[in-house]
Amino acid sequence: EPEVTQTPSHQVTQMGQEVILRCVPISNHLYFYWYRQILGQKVEFLVSFYNNEISEKSEIFDDQFSVERPDGSNFTLKIRSTKLEDSAMYFCASSDEDTDIWDTEAFFGQGTRLTVV
Amino acid sequence: KQEVTQIPAALSVPEGENLVLNCSFTDSAIYNLQWFRQDPGKGLTSLLLIQSSQREQTSGRLNASLDKSSGRSTLYIAASQPGDSATYLCAGYTSGTYKYIFGTGTRLKVLA
Repeated sequence: EPEVTQTPSHQVTQMGQEVILRCVPISNHLYFYWYRQILGQKVEFLVSFYNNEISEKSEIFDDQFSVERPDGSNFTLKIRSTKLEDSAMYFCASSDEDTDIWDTEAFFGQGTRLTVV
Repeated sequence: KQEVTQIPAALSVPEGENLVLNCSFTDSAIYNLQWFRQDPGKGLTSLLLIQSSQREQTSGRLNASLDKSSGRSTLYIAASQPGDSATYLCAGYTSGTYKYIFGTGTRLKVLA
């Protein structure tokens, strides 16, 4: 069964460093998302992406964050200068463009646990 | 701003019980809704999707319904098993947006 793949599963980085989280969405999907979940808290939306541009972003997704689809298969989230409060599980998701984008099912990856020290 | 509340926040039941988990949206303009399962430290596994033209979905022992007039969804788990122990999350897609908004979650523990 097709699945969303995220790498690495766990990343430890020093405060102020740049990190890139990688995702391989399901191959025929066209909508892509990043979410995060701080330990013990709810899953929060960061950004959605379609047709090589951001469809929507949250207040969390400030200038320190960026997303890119560098080729036909990868979808990346970059954090330019990490802060302690960026420590969280980051989830990538993708969904197909059916006749109605709002009617498609979102599939999530297993997450990347980011620890900023 | 859409807020999603799940009740109860935690639930501990003996094996075999039938369960009802609730999910409530402040903005009832929900286009579609998904229920997810999350095991500790793991990713999100999609359980059921209720599309815009639907009112409920069933998969095995799970049944989910969505009342758009009130912005409420219910996940029914029949004959619960210890393997059902996990956190259950609802997530709604509001018309005109490009994101799912997640609920606060219900942490379920089924005792053998």
